[in-house]
Amino acid sequence: GENVEQHPSTLSVQEGDSAVIKCTYSDSASNYFPWYKQELGKRPQLIIDIRSNVGEKKDQRIAVTLNKTAKHFSLHITETQPEDSAVYFCAASIGTGGFKTIFGAGTRLFVKA
Amino acid sequence: GAVVSQHPSWVICKSGTSVKIECRSLDFQATTMFWYRQFPKQSLMLMATSNEGSKATYEQGVEKDKFLINHASLTLSTLTVTSAHPEDSSFYICSARAAARGANEQFFGPGTRLTVL
Repeated sequence: GENVEQHPSTLSVQEGDSAVIKCTYSDSASNYFPWYKQELGKRPQLIIDIRSNVGEKKDQRIAVTLNKTAKHFSLHITETQPEDSAVYFCAASIGTGGFKTIFGAGTRLFVKA
Repeated sequence: GAVVSQHPSWVICKSGTSVKIECRSLDFQATTMFWYRQFPKQSLMLMATSNEGSKATYEQGVEKDKFLINHASLTLSTLTVTSAHPEDSSFYICSARAAARGANEQFFGPGTRLTVL
């Protein structure tokens, strides 16, 4: 089955700096890669996603890149702000012949003011 | 749009009792609903996938007789934790996928915090 690895587990940055979180997946059939932000005790919130036919996607301060050959995808947050502090999860989904989403272990991001 | 609700938001029960958690898609029809469990400071672990009108598909290591899932309609799925024990204490989150063709996005419920004494 699919396995998603996520690094780092903890990331501390200064306000205004960039943060990068990296994930790898194992199943080449995965074709949808969402990223979620979760605050303590709350539901995951989708912040950006990318499909396998796209290499990069950007939404204001957030961007995601996908390397299908290497089975890598990354989240980039620029100009970080204290309110970006949360746990971020990457995930990989197989969208054909059934649908299943497997989550990475999560990255706890601290943005210091 | 695309709102998913869960009830209850939290529950405390005695060991050995059963607890039912409801997951509803409020403004869309969900072909598929998913149940996750999240222990403190850990990731979301998929427990099972349920499609309306059919039996749920459980992930390896999840006891189907302990975690009963019913997906009676396109807007409602229930998870019943039978004979709950303290090790079942966790944050249970459901999500729903829209019936629209090609829709990949999942919409998450707010979660249910279960504490078994």
